[in-house]
Parts: sequence; structure tokens; C-alpha cells
Amino acid sequence: QKEVEQNSGPLSVPEGAIASLNCTYSDRGSQSFFWYRQYSGKSPELIMSIYSNGDKEDGRFTAQLNKASQYVSLLIRDSQPSDSATYLCAVNMRGGYQKVTFGTGTKLQVIP
Amino acid sequence: DTAVSQTPKYLVTQMGNDKSIKCEQNLGHDTMYWYKQDSKKFLKIMFSYNNKELIINETVPNRFSPKSPDKAHLNLHINSLELGDSAVYFCASSQGSNTQYFGPGTRLTVT
Repeated sequence: QKEVEQNSGPLSVPEGAIASLNCTYSDRGSQSFFWYRQYSGKSPELIMSIYSNGDKEDGRFTAQLNKASQYVSLLIRDSQPSDSATYLCAVNMRGGYQKVTFGTGTKLQVIP
Repeated sequence: DTAVSQTPKYLVTQMGNDKSIKCEQNLGHDTMYWYKQDSKKFLKIMFSYNNKELIINETVPNRFSPKSPDKAHLNLHINSLELGDSAVYFCASSQGSNTQYFGPGTRLTVT
């Protein structure tokens, strides 16, 4: 089992729809969770971080964490073509001193 | 002002050569990282330094040697370059285990 798993996609959604990106992780003791966005040819940039169970909202983005299910998701409401990018889930695993493990990313395509 | 900068942005070289990539951050962070992103876009950590001390050293060939002269700088030297070293190398920094900020990347092509 991979440490951090994501569906590689591409995930295609129409403009204005909700995009749902999912991530599972293997270490039950993981404490910190991050979603990064990476445009083609660019570097990853942080969208959201989440540390406790439940939802965290920031504008059109909502991160959801369920530690019991070892599952973290990112919802993008009112998806825009500019949201088309690869979304990387990252987990700071227990015992890994400041080591963040990235998933392979989900490519999102928002169709105008 | 660039928070995390890397030089060079592009690097094309032949097999067997030795090359270096430099990274600097002006965020005052105490931790810096090197990542390799391959053609499949998988981002894998190579090294991490905290206050100039090596704290993460993943399974990386000995041909790769990081060096941190101070908290704001982390360089990567690669000896005897191989075709498989072709990738994008990202430098990143963070304060403790908080959010990592990435540099623009260095695209290394080994021919």
C-alpha cells in the first residue's frame, strides 16, 4: 500500500460544478495534512492545511479530514477553468521529522 | 521579492558530468528540502536540513550530496550524472513542520 494514495485522474468537471478530490493515507498516527496545487511547469503552492477532524473552509475550497478512515478530501465549489491543475495531497507522517509525503496527484480539468 | 529561489532554472548536461543547483530562501525558515519530481510528476523528498543539520536523507545515490552553508541556503551537488537523473528538482523551505514553500524548480536534462 502506498503511503499516500490519490486517483491520478484526469477528473473532468464542467465549469461551475463541484470538484471532489480524494486522498487516503496509510499511517494512522499522521497529524498534518496539506493540499497543494501545481500548474503545469510550475512549482506546488499550498491551498489548504488541515490538522483536526472535520471540515475547514477557505473561499471556494473546503478540506475534509476523517482520521478514523484515514481519508482527506478537497472540495472546490464553483469550479473555474483556472482551477485546472494537478492537486497534490501531502501528509506529515508520525515519526517522520518534518517529512511530508506527497501523493502522486490528481489532475483536474474544468471544462468551460 | 522571491521567497525561495533556485539557480539555474534549466540545466542541460552530458552523462558523467558533475553539476550543482543552488537554493536560497529569504523567509527566515529553519528547514529546507530538496525534492525530485520525475516525468510521472511524482514528488519525492531527497534531503531535509534543519538549522544546517541533515535530518532527512532518503534512499538517494551517493552521487547526490547536499550542503547547507547557512540556514538560508541549501545546495545540491550531483556527481557522475546519469540519464535517470533527468527530472525537475525543487527546493522548499518551512518553519518547523509547517507549510512548505517551493522554489520555481530546476529542470535537469542529462543527455
